[in-house]
Amino acid sequence: DIQMTQSPSSLSASVGDRVTITCRASQSISTYLSWYQQQPRKAPQLLIHAASSLQSGVPSRFSGSGSGTDFTLTISSLQPDDFATYYCQQTYSTPPTFGQGTKVEIK
Amino acid sequence: EVQLVESGGGLVKPGGSLRLSCAVSGFTFSTYTMNWVRQAPGKGLEWVSSISSSSSYIYYADSVKGRFTISRDNAKNSLYLQMNSLRAEDTAVYYCARETYCSTPNCPLDYWGQGALATVSS
Repeated sequence: DIQMTQSPSSLSASVGDRVTITCRASQSISTYLSWYQQQPRKAPQLLIHAASSLQSGVPSRFSGSGSGTDFTLTISSLQPDDFATYYCQQTYSTPPTFGQGTKVEIK
Repeated sequence: EVQLVESGGGLVKPGGSLRLSCAVSGFTFSTYTMNWVRQAPGKGLEWVSSISSSSSYIYYADSVKGRFTISRDNAKNSLYLQMNSLRAEDTAVYYCARETYCSTPNCPLDYWGQGALATVSS
């Protein structure tokens, strides 16, 4: 199975900050990488697919980059609704594994 | 509007069984691959199983293989997860989720239900 490792596991930031979350795959996955946001007590929501394609309806302050084994999710200017947990997922092979999550908290 | 609504969660003893259902509306269910993803209390997301549109391709996580069975009824717009020989570590919120269309065997999950809690405890 492909292992997905996110860093950091948590971070504290203020409204308006630029935030970057990293996801590393244990082997190359090309650009078969998605990012999800999960707000407390809610289902996950797809933010980005194919490493850098913004899902319809997702604000443009979210962006993704990377290929191969190293990927990044960036929030350009953190908003109150963005305090949540973020997960990466590889869809290159079965099982489609998730990272352990990165919790973004209010500083 | 796309909707996925899970039901069937509850409390069951170790070794027992539960059947989760996911009723969908707002899209042509019979053309989409569907998944189950679970989340143990306070933990991350774990993919459980997927089933292709015509049930031709079915996959399971190693952790549930031989105990869980995924199925679907396209006439009823419903997805199911039969969970047998349940263990304490199966305690989780179970989400049904729709895959987008893409060119690889696995695709991103673009719509999720609200989840159903299955608790395995004596």
